[in-house]
Amino acid sequence: SQQGEEDPQALSIQEGENATMNCSYKTSINNLQWYRQNSGRGLVHLILIRSNEREKHSGRLRVTLDTSKKSSSLLITASRAADTASYFCATAPPGSARQLTFGSGTQLTVLP
Amino acid sequence: EAGVVQSPRYKIIEKKQPVAFWCNPISGHNTLYWYLQNLGQGPELLIRYENEEAVDDSQLPKDRFSAERLKGVDSTLKIQPAELGDSAVYLCASSESGEQFFGPGTRLTVL
Repeated sequence: SQQGEEDPQALSIQEGENATMNCSYKTSINNLQWYRQNSGRGLVHLILIRSNEREKHSGRLRVTLDTSKKSSSLLITASRAADTASYFCATAPPGSARQLTFGSGTQLTVLP
Repeated sequence: EAGVVQSPRYKIIEKKQPVAFWCNPISGHNTLYWYLQNLGQGPELLIRYENEEAVDDSQLPKDRFSAERLKGVDSTLKIQPAELGDSAVYLCASSESGEQFFGPGTRLTVL
């Protein structure tokens, strides 16, 4: 079963635009993580935000977390063609930071 | 630093045949995971090891799937016999804290 639901399922933008992906989840969490997966490859960790944090930045990435709404968003600013990939959110339950449940992902296409 | 290594990268077998996947985690990572990923979906956990102990195998179909992690390092995932529905990508990951590091996966096709 998958706890996270990403929205939208697919997103297509022009290079230079910003991309926003959303993730909703159902139960309490210890942390929420975002991963990227290029076609035919393994997942790459992007960023981890803990349940007591509201916003986190890493380079061109900005993640927000609203535990009252059980939702998170991933913003990629000034997108590049190389950002084309699938993006997954994953949640870890309280007391088990290593047990991740992944969502079904957002397929991002950045057009040159 | 070497990442998570998996082999083979691709495997094609006929149904009812056995198949095995191998994973070498990042050195020093005590936690090892096996995931199954269907096309267009996120990874689903099959089993998680803390050192050599399987601490979460509730999603592993134990009638045909088995796994081992000898000496708490390398791990092998086996399917016997394979069914058509087992066609998927099998991902291995390792971690020492919250962040997980994934291997490239083994794409299994069952004919």
